[in-house]
Amino acid sequence: RKEVEQDPGPFNVPEGATVAFNCTYSNSASQSFFWYRQDCRKEPKLLMSVYSSGNEDGRFTAQLNRASQYISLLIRDSKLSDSATYLCAVNKGGNTGKLIFGQGTTLQVKP
Amino acid sequence: DAGVTQSPTHLIKTRGQQVTLRCSPKSGHDTVSWYQQALGQGPQFIFQYYEEEERQRGNFPDRFSGHQFPNYSSELNVNALLLGDSALYLCASSNRHSETQYFGPGTRLLVL
Repeated sequence: RKEVEQDPGPFNVPEGATVAFNCTYSNSASQSFFWYRQDCRKEPKLLMSVYSSGNEDGRFTAQLNRASQYISLLIRDSKLSDSATYLCAVNKGGNTGKLIFGQGTTLQVKP
Repeated sequence: DAGVTQSPTHLIKTRGQQVTLRCSPKSGHDTVSWYQQALGQGPQFIFQYYEEEERQRGNFPDRFSGHQFPNYSSELNVNALLLGDSALYLCASSNRHSETQYFGPGTRLLVL
């Protein structure tokens, strides 16, 4: 079993739709969680860190469920420009430095 | 404020050759991590450098080595290149007080 798993998709949604991605992790000692966005042939860009209390940035909301060991990303009112691959990343913390990434979930927002 | 920079952007090598990739971290960052990203996959951790020493290593063979300089910049060296080493090599920087990592644009390596 992979340490971090994501449904690769693709998720094809119309503009204005709400879409949610989940990411499961296997190591219960994981402490830090992140969502990155990656456009085709570009580097991952940090979208948001994920905190236990959940966090929101505009149309984007991230949640952490430690009991079930998953993180989620909700995108409301999808825009064409949201089309990208969304990568979740997990860090065990304690200065281990190593981010473990999922395979990524591809989102295509259609007009 | 310059972000993470990497050079070169693209590289073509043949099997058996050696390659050196370079990375300069974001201003204020002292830690550099290297990742390999194959097509359709998430980045895989190679190693991390802090205070000019390798602090942690992922599951990569000894053909992959690195270095960090006093100015915090870093190099990734790969010896005896294999076809399977073709990938996007990403450098990420962070500082000792945060686990958040910021990525550079990457070096796309093609091994023929």
